[in-house]
Amino acid sequence: GIQVEQSPPDLILQEGANSTLRCNFSDSVNNLQWFHQNPWGQLINLFYIPSGTKQNGRLSATTVATERYSLLYISSSQTTDSGVYFCAAWIKAAGNKLTFGGGTRVLVKP
Amino acid sequence: DVKVTQSSRYLVKRTGEKVFLECVQDMDHENMFWYRQDPGLGLRLIYFSYDVKMKEKGDIPEGYSVSREKKERFSLILESASTNQTSMYLCASSFPTAGNSPLHFGNGTRLTVT
Repeated sequence: GIQVEQSPPDLILQEGANSTLRCNFSDSVNNLQWFHQNPWGQLINLFYIPSGTKQNGRLSATTVATERYSLLYISSSQTTDSGVYFCAAWIKAAGNKLTFGGGTRVLVKP
Repeated sequence: DVKVTQSSRYLVKRTGEKVFLECVQDMDHENMFWYRQDPGLGLRLIYFSYDVKMKEKGDIPEGYSVSREKKERFSLILESASTNQTSMYLCASSFPTAGNSPLHFGNGTRLTVT
C-alpha cells in the first residue's frame, strides 16, 4: 500500500545543534507538507512544498519528488523546537487525501 | 492568519452519550477534515467535506457521523460514545483545492470516554 515513512523516529539534540529529518514516500505526490506538533498537541503547518526548497527562519525543507523524498533541516536548534515533526503527502493513488508519516519525536536539551 | 477553532480543549463523556465536537474556521475554506490521533497509530482520517452539505468517509468512519450545514462549521458526532473512542480529535481546513493547498489544524480536543 501507499506508505509515508519518516526517519529517525526519535532524535535528541543539544541546543544549538543542526539536524536533518527525512520523509520517504512510496508513490508520486501532488504535494508534501511538514508539520510540527508542540508538547500541547497543536499541529502547525511549517511548509507546503511539492518540490524544490523553502526556508523559514532556522527551518528549511527540500522535496525531490522524482526521487520520492523530502528533508526538513533544523539549524541552531532551540528548546522550543521540541515536539513531533510530521510529513504528509497528498497521493492520488491513496484516494486523493493526505497520508501522514509516523513522525519524528525531537527533544532539544538546554 | 488562518484560525481553526475547536469548541473544547478537554472533554469527558460517559459511555453511550451522544457527543458533538465542533470546529469553525474563519478563512472561507471549502475543505474541512476530522482526524483522530492515537499513540502508535498516528493521525487517521475520520471524515472530510469539500463543500457545504457534502461529506466523504475517511479511513475510520465507523461510529462517527458529521454535519456541515454552513461553510465555516464542520461538526463531528459520536452517536453513542464508547471507551475506544477516547482519543485526541483534530479538525483541519484547507483552500482552495484540497490537494494543492496547506492544511491548517485546530488546537485539538482531547476526549475521554468513561
